[in-house]
Amino acid sequence: DVKVTQSSRYLVKRTGEKVFLECVQDMDHENMFWYRQDPGLGLRLIYFSYDVKMKEKGDIPEGYSVSREKKERFSLILESASTNQTSMYLCASVGGGGPLHFGNGTRLTVT
Amino acid sequence: QKEVEQNSGPLSVPEGAIASLNCTYSDRGSQSFFWYRQYSGKSPELIMSIYSNGDKEDGRFTAQLNKASQYVSLLIRDSQPSDSATYLCAVKNNAGNMLTFGGGTRLMVKP
Repeated sequence: DVKVTQSSRYLVKRTGEKVFLECVQDMDHENMFWYRQDPGLGLRLIYFSYDVKMKEKGDIPEGYSVSREKKERFSLILESASTNQTSMYLCASVGGGGPLHFGNGTRLTVT
Repeated sequence: QKEVEQNSGPLSVPEGAIASLNCTYSDRGSQSFFWYRQYSGKSPELIMSIYSNGDKEDGRFTAQLNKASQYVSLLIRDSQPSDSATYLCAVKNNAGNMLTFGGGTRLMVKP
């Protein structure tokens, strides 16, 4: 069974802080994704990575960056958190043409 | 125009009835189709995958795919209050591992 683990379920940060959201998958998947989900806006892709050290912008990359130094780990970085980045953040991975598997999500509040 | 369309609902059905959830997509090159269930505050979980035209049954769930008409549906038989959730339709083409999600349909099953 695929396991995608996000390091925190809930986070509260202050405006201007640098925030790291960590995601680890245990299935040797090449592809990993970061989404945010907001009421009425659905799932929006922030960044994805198809290999170590490779990254591609999704639909809403502004204000975010990512890091993939190891195949199993994909980190989302908020360089300077703002209140409009308060959201549910979802990490996912996929391999071999199968479905996306999601982590449990991180609910981030920026005050 | 959104690439994957779902009625946002809420779709309200009585307990024991059949719930029918529909999804249309615009990319004729789409090859893989998925239904995810998402409870409030939780991450999406995969419940069905379908890759070829016709019906695919798994317990109380049946996915139906019609590529010529570009729609995919999910039927839930003997609906239970525990089925109350948002159901997300996701579509993938063969160009890569990117999924396009619909906005989701909120299902309410009333006792």
